[in-house]
Amino acid sequence: GENVEQHPSTLSVQEGDSAVIKCTYSDSASNYFPWYKQELGKGPQLIIDIRSNVGEKKDQRIAVTLNKTAKHFSLHITETQPEDSAVYFCAPKQGNNAGNMLTFGGGTRLMVKP
Amino acid sequence: SAVISQKPSRDICQRGTSLTIQCQVDSQVTMMFWYRQQPGQSLTLIATANQGSEATYESGFVIDKFPISRPNLTFSTLTVSNMSPEDSSIYLCSVDRGGTGELFFGEGSRLTVL
Repeated sequence: GENVEQHPSTLSVQEGDSAVIKCTYSDSASNYFPWYKQELGKGPQLIIDIRSNVGEKKDQRIAVTLNKTAKHFSLHITETQPEDSAVYFCAPKQGNNAGNMLTFGGGTRLMVKP
Repeated sequence: SAVISQKPSRDICQRGTSLTIQCQVDSQVTMMFWYRQQPGQSLTLIATANQGSEATYESGFVIDKFPISRPNLTFSTLTVSNMSPEDSSIYLCSVDRGGTGELFFGEGSRLTVL
C-alpha cells in the first residue's frame, strides 16, 4: 500500500507570512494529489488538487507543486490569515476511479497568529 | 458539491453497547465510504459501502465490529458494536460524487465511550 508522510506535523506562523507543507508518498503509480483542510468540528474539505501531468497549480493564495520524480508534493499558502488555522491533510491516490482509495497523510496543524 | 448529513453529531456511550450512525446524501452515489479519525490523528478508511452488496472492509476492520448497511443510493449506516473506550473517535461518512477523485465529507459523528 501507499506510505504517506507529511512534514511538519505542526506549523505556527505569523499572520501575513507564508506556510509550506510537504507530502511524501511511496507509490509511483499515484497520479492524483489533493490537499484537504479540516477545521475544528468539521469534516475535511478539498482546497486544491493537482494531477500528474501538471507541475504546479495555483488558486489565489494557495498553490500546490508536484515533483513526481522525487515523489513529493507541497502545499503553499501565502499571506496567511487566522482563518487558515486548521489541520491540513495530503491524500495521494491512483486514478480517478471512485474505487481507488485515498491514503491520508498524518496531518499538519497550522496555527496562524494574529 | 454534495451535501452529507450525519446523525448523531456526537454521543457519549457506555462500554459494551452499540451505536448506529446514519449518513444521508443529497443525491444518488454509487459508493459511500466510512472513515475513522481517532483523537488528534489522521483518517483511516473502515470500509466502502456499495448498494446491493456487502461492504468491503479494509485491513484491521471486520463486519462483526462495524456492520454497515446500504439500503439505497443515498443512505448508509455504520454500527459500532460492543464499544470500548478505544472506539472513541470521530466517524466520517464520505462520497466521491462524479468520480473526479474529490471526496466530500459529512461533519462527522464524535463518539466518546466511557
